[in-house]
Formats: sequence, structure tokens, C-alpha cells
Amino acid sequence: NAGVTQTPKFRILKIGQSMTLQCAQDMNHNYMYWYRQDPGMGLKLIYYSVGAGITDKGEVPNGYNVSRSTTEYFPLRLELAAPSQTSVYFCASGGAVSNQPQHFGDGTRLSIL
Amino acid sequence: QQQVKQSPQSLIVQKGGISIINCAYENTAFDYFPWYQQFPGKGPALLIAIRPDVSEKKEGRFTISFNKSAKQFSLHIMDSQPGDSATYFCAASSLGGSGDKLTFGTGTRLAVRP
Repeated sequence: NAGVTQTPKFRILKIGQSMTLQCAQDMNHNYMYWYRQDPGMGLKLIYYSVGAGITDKGEVPNGYNVSRSTTEYFPLRLELAAPSQTSVYFCASGGAVSNQPQHFGDGTRLSIL
Repeated sequence: QQQVKQSPQSLIVQKGGISIINCAYENTAFDYFPWYQQFPGKGPALLIAIRPDVSEKKEGRFTISFNKSAKQFSLHIMDSQPGDSATYFCAASSLGGSGDKLTFGTGTRLAVRP
């Protein structure tokens, strides 16, 4: 039972490079989310999706893009990496009903140098 | 602005003691208040959650106390154990069809001394 799987676990990027953070879930959840976690700041919502083909911005969407072509996958794209995007990124699925919590992956630790 | 304020930032408790973490929110539309536990190198995992129609919820050693009029809620960990050492996040959201957009507190790092 894999749950939410994120790849890669670690990555170092140079300023201006681009990359895609992968997220896959095997629980057939309609809702999926991307958060970033910075020290002492908690988790901030970047983008979310309520189903395949439907995405919307969260609290901190600038510099990121997402797509959701299938229920299982919800990749996060960084087009022009900036030092401010150094963070730990978490993907989650589930939620929107009181007895279905959000399940989180183990994160991608990204450093922009 | 939707905010959830969490305190303390860090907490040290002796084994067997009670750990208490407090949160306060501003948005009266919030109707779901979960607590997440996070170990180093792992993602947050749901610990316990409460809806505003009850004032307390208990699951084993973990209890949420909720005060709707004060817009505050707290996590109590009874008989704290070294294995409870982790970072705890409170959160809040408005459940509905537009998604469960959680607003998180800034976290409390708990250390339980043996």
C-alpha cells in the first residue's frame, strides 16, 4: 500500500533551471495538493486539484505550475528556479470530507543555488 | 487573511508528563480542525481531528479541546513518551466541494525526555 509517492527525494538546482516534481497516489482520491514547508513557517498551499483536468491556485502559486491529466498523478513544475524556492515540497491527496484525511508523501527536498 | 497561530514554538516535557500545544484561528468559516504529527524526514500524518460541534475529542492519549467562542483549540498529550518526540502542526479548513484547503500553524517541536 504505497499511498502518496514523491520523486525525487532530494534535488539541487541552479538558478534559472527548470524541473518537475512528481507525485503519484494509489488511493483513487479526487483531491490532491502541493504544499511547501519552510523552517518555522508551517506548510503553505501552492496548488490543488479537485479532479482530473481541474486545478486551482493556493496561497503561494507564483513561480509554479501544475497539471492533472489523470486521477493518479499531480506533477508540480518549476520553470525558472529561484533561491526563494528552496524548500521542502509535500504532495498530499484526500480530504474534503471529515472522515477522509489528507495523506502526505515524504517530501522532496529542493535546494536552488 | 486566513491565519492559524500556534504556540509554543518548542516544548520539552518529561516522560509521563502532559504536553499541551495551543492554536488560535481567525476565520469563523473554518469547520475542520486537524492535528498533524511529523517525524524528521517524513511527511505530516493525521493524529486527531475535531469538528466545531463538539468541545472535546479523545483518542487514546491524545485529546483535542475546542473553544468555539474563543476561536481556540488545543492538543493535550497525556503520559507523554519519548516516541512522541516530533513536530506537531495544527490546521484548519472549510470542508466543501472546492477542496480541503488546510491552513497550517507554524508547528511545535516537542521533545520528551526519558
